[in-house]
Amino acid sequence: GEDVEQSLFLSVREGDSSVINCTYTDSSSTYLYWYKQEPGAGLQLLTYIFSNMDMKQDQRLTVLLNKKDKHLSLRIADTQTGDSAIYFCAGADTGRRALTFGSGTRLQVQP
Amino acid sequence: DGGITQSPKYLFRKEGQNVTLSCEQNLNHDAMYWYRQDPGQGLRLIYYSQIVNDFQKGDIAEGYSVSREKKESFPLTVTSAQKNPTAFYLCASSTTSGRSNEQFFGPGTRLTVL
Repeated sequence: GEDVEQSLFLSVREGDSSVINCTYTDSSSTYLYWYKQEPGAGLQLLTYIFSNMDMKQDQRLTVLLNKKDKHLSLRIADTQTGDSAIYFCAGADTGRRALTFGSGTRLQVQP
Repeated sequence: DGGITQSPKYLFRKEGQNVTLSCEQNLNHDAMYWYRQDPGQGLRLIYYSQIVNDFQKGDIAEGYSVSREKKESFPLTVTSAQKNPTAFYLCASSTTSGRSNEQFFGPGTRLTVL
């Protein structure tokens, strides 16, 4: 099965770029996802990338995928205080169509 | 509005009691999932269902039970056999057509055992 790892904490200043990193083990994952969770809430899908892509950009969000190193990153440009949350990467377990989540990276944005 | 609802938002249980968490979706999704989240950890899969009247155990099914009698509903029962049930429970749904497994999440239920 899939195993997904993330760093636990990132602190940035408002206006800077944030880069959240993730590594995964299952190279057969077809899609890789980034979710955002605000305190006490459910998860909100931010973006996802198909495994045959290297990069995907969506407004302030850029996802980079290095298949050789099994490394996924999420870059948030011009980070705002409203971006403070926990960010999860997840890989699709194609066998059972469930997602395997990393432990989440807490992003703290300082004014 | 289409979406997933979970109720209640907060739930308190005495030791030895069974409790049922509700999950309803009006997205016309075939697949539904239950995850458990503990502080500082990612989500762990409890049960999932890809079609009505069928469901499979996830990674941590012991002490939990589910039913899928209707497409829209996937209730989770936390039984007294679950040794450490205090956690945040999240329900999700997705389509089964297409290659993407994009899952949509409900707002969660926080269960506390007194």
